Amino acid sequence: GENVEQHPSTLSVQEGDSAVIKCTYSDSASNYFPWYKQELGKGPQLIIDIRSNVGEKKDQRIAVTLNKTAKHFSLHITETQPEDSAVYFCAGFTGFQKLVFGTGTRLLVSP
Amino acid sequence: NAGVTQTPKFQVLKTGQSMTLQCAQDMNHNSMYWYRQDPGMGLRLIYYSASEGTTDKGEVPNGYNVSRLNKREFSLRLESAAPSQTSVYFCASNAGTHNEQFFGPGTRLTVL
Repeated sequence: GENVEQHPSTLSVQEGDSAVIKCTYSDSASNYFPWYKQELGKGPQLIIDIRSNVGEKKDQRIAVTLNKTAKHFSLHITETQPEDSAVYFCAGFTGFQKLVFGTGTRLLVSP
Repeated sequence: NAGVTQTPKFQVLKTGQSMTLQCAQDMNHNSMYWYRQDPGMGLRLIYYSASEGTTDKGEVPNGYNVSRLNKREFSLRLESAAPSQTSVYFCASNAGTHNEQFFGPGTRLTVL
């Protein structure tokens, strides 16, 4: 089955810097890769997703890139702000409507 | 719309006790999911229901049972709670394949 690995587990940046979180997946048949943000005490919330027929997708300060050959995808956050501090999860879609999640990255943005 | 709601928010059980976690969604979604979240392990799928009347095992189903009561409601039951089931439980729903999963606020369960 699908296995998704996520790095780093923690990431500290200064406000205004960029942050990059990387994930790799094992199942070459996976074709949908969402990213979720989880704030303290809340459920995860989708922030961006990418499908396998697209190499990059942007939404304001957030972008995701996908390299199907290498089986990895990354989340890029530019001009980070303190409210970006949260735990971020990547996921891969295995089919049968099931997502497999990475282990999460705790992002801390310091003012 | 309330989205996905879960009850209770917090629960403490003793080993061997049973309980049911409730989940409901008002978005007319076909698919519903139960996950557990443990430190350093991300979200792991316990059970899911692709449509009303069907349920399937996920990655970590042992010790749990589920019921898809109707299209709106999907409950998770612990028949005999164990300390290893101490976790935060999330319910989620989506309209179908490749669609955003919407998560509830979670239930924090402690088994002593």
